[in-house]
Amino acid sequence: GAGVSQSPSNKVTEKGKDVELRCDPISGHTALYWYRQSLGQGLEFLIYFQGNSAPDKSGLPSDRFSAERTGGSVSTLTIQRTQQEDSAVYLCASSISPNEQFFGPGTRLTVL
Amino acid sequence: QKEVEQNSGPLSVPEGAIASLNCTYSDRVSQSFFWYRQYSGKSPELIMSIYSNGDKEDGRFTAQLNKASQYVSLLIRDSQPSDSATYLCAVNMAHTGFQKLVFGTGTRLLVSP
Repeated sequence: GAGVSQSPSNKVTEKGKDVELRCDPISGHTALYWYRQSLGQGLEFLIYFQGNSAPDKSGLPSDRFSAERTGGSVSTLTIQRTQQEDSAVYLCASSISPNEQFFGPGTRLTVL
Repeated sequence: QKEVEQNSGPLSVPEGAIASLNCTYSDRVSQSFFWYRQYSGKSPELIMSIYSNGDKEDGRFTAQLNKASQYVSLLIRDSQPSDSATYLCAVNMAHTGFQKLVFGTGTRLLVSP
């Protein structure tokens, strides 16, 4: 596709349930990033994938959060046992270099 | 001190005026600097990148970089109501191995007709 795509665009779940968020980066982009943005707040870095290297997980807020990237392309961010404080917009970005990142439209997660 | 600092605003300017958005950063050896525009409810969109000291112009936008002062700015000439958005400054920093961008919290710009 022409840009980064994410699905679903909106997700409403109940506290304690697991959710999976998907990101499909721009074709040929080797780097993929996940961010979280709470209402009115800045971007919070979560995790970074670069090619076949081990991912940089330094931003994951707890062990309930995990992500994988299969075949160097599509990535899935999984949140287990969701809590209300997990409610936010989850943004994925991809890039050829670490510099110019291009963002997807985001997934708005609401935990009731 | 935050790694990337921006005034949260809002910065209010009348239509046709110059809007000046400022950003300071803590890492003296940072190499790459970016401005993203984020409309309400939308994802960030890259509008400018700058890598060396001085000015870089693209249409109505000018990015200015002063590495000695650890300062980067974005000027928007002939501001339009459609420029009303939050502008995020992002810096590629050494402590991340230059592998990640560190974002400021953004400056909200309001352009009144």
